[in-house]
Amino acid sequence: DTGVSQNPRHKITKRGQNVTFRCDPISEHNRLYWYRQTLGQGPEFLTYFQNEAQLEKSRLLSDRFSAERPKGSFSTLEIQRTEQGDSAMYLCASSSVHTDTQYFGPGTRLTVL
Amino acid sequence: AQSVAQPEDQVNVAEGNPLTVKCTYSVSGNPYLFWYVQYPNRGLQFLLKYITGDNLVKGSYGFEAEFNKSQTSFHLKKPSALVSDSALYFCAVRDMSRGSTLGRLYFGRGTQLTVWP
Repeated sequence: DTGVSQNPRHKITKRGQNVTFRCDPISEHNRLYWYRQTLGQGPEFLTYFQNEAQLEKSRLLSDRFSAERPKGSFSTLEIQRTEQGDSAMYLCASSSVHTDTQYFGPGTRLTVL
Repeated sequence: AQSVAQPEDQVNVAEGNPLTVKCTYSVSGNPYLFWYVQYPNRGLQFLLKYITGDNLVKGSYGFEAEFNKSQTSFHLKKPSALVSDSALYFCAVRDMSRGSTLGRLYFGRGTQLTVWP
């Protein structure tokens, strides 16, 4: 399968714990995006990488959130001191410079108890 | 400000009948417009996009969409619905004006399509 992959698919954690999600984009794509989707809503943009550079961050990305893409390949999204309001589906997408189409992974569903 | 509106939370249609899922948008400059479909507990699957050119865009699984600049709309259509088309559909826009955010998509809230046999 050469699509976008995300791990884990599900994560249950207790409030106050840290969690980290991983995204592996389509191999030739140099652009990578993170979105968050809550129940009954469309995805909301969190952050964007071009290669290893983080070029844009949403105001939704509070100080407890950090994203990295160290070698311009896979990316990680870490949430520190999780809160119940962080419960959501976290989606990763990638695209190439030759197309404006973002291809999405299956998402990581986070539940904070 | 950029935004997308999907005025219908739900659309119900009988199998074999035509379907329309509505979308209107607001951007500062020229828009790139997209439709995605989401099945339960899955990510978003790309259906089609409008960048420029012909206002009628054809996509996957027999879907098409019509870009109407004067009405700022991009409605999704299919001539004959299938039960397997039942899913959650999202319209998204990217603002291509100078100085706009880099690649960010703005999504509507989604429309649940149910096709009954």
